[in-house]
Amino acid sequence: QKEVEQNSGPLSVPEGAIASLNCTYSDRGSQSFFWYRQYSGKSPELIMSIYSNGDKEDGRFTAQLNKASQYVSLLIRDSQPSDSATYLCAVIGQGSNYQLIWGAGTKLIIKP
Amino acid sequence: DAGVTQSPTHLIKTRGQQVTLRCSPISGHKSVSWYQQVLGQGPQFIFQYYEKEERGRGNFPDRFSARQFPNYSSELNVNALLLGDSALYLCASSSTGNTIYFGEGSWLTVV
Repeated sequence: QKEVEQNSGPLSVPEGAIASLNCTYSDRGSQSFFWYRQYSGKSPELIMSIYSNGDKEDGRFTAQLNKASQYVSLLIRDSQPSDSATYLCAVIGQGSNYQLIWGAGTKLIIKP
Repeated sequence: DAGVTQSPTHLIKTRGQQVTLRCSPISGHKSVSWYQQVLGQGPQFIFQYYEKEERGRGNFPDRFSARQFPNYSSELNVNALLLGDSALYLCASSSTGNTIYFGEGSWLTVV
């Protein structure tokens, strides 16, 4: 059973601080990794994708991938109240034809 | 260009009824996938279609079925609805590469 694990939270972070979200996955052959943001009552919105080991930065967001340890993380710098949402980690396993395996999500709360 | 469009956005059905959900992918995208998201959980993969052929099926009962049309739009059908089928149903489209785009979803409530 291929699994993606996330801490459900809630994770509470002061405004302006760095929020750190983590995700582990079980399929060592996984190739593609995604972070989605989901506001209450809305569909998931793609924030970051990462495919190779290391860091990938996009504005205030940085995704980090470590395939040897089978974890992927998302850092949000200068956190804003509008970043309050559930963050979902999703993985495409080896040979799975774009089928996403999802974590249950971490609820992030940014306190003003 | 329009994104992934789904209809209806919200619907209420009674236990035992049948429902059809519709999805139009982004223009040029030939792959459509369906996911079910129960409140408080991550989405679960239901089906994937590519060029009108089923490419994958998740762990869902035979009450769930889907198809893809020549214009690459898709329908998800659920028969004999149960209370537990209440969820957000997400359609995703993709082209070459791994970027997957989601529609706004269809909220199904079974009473």
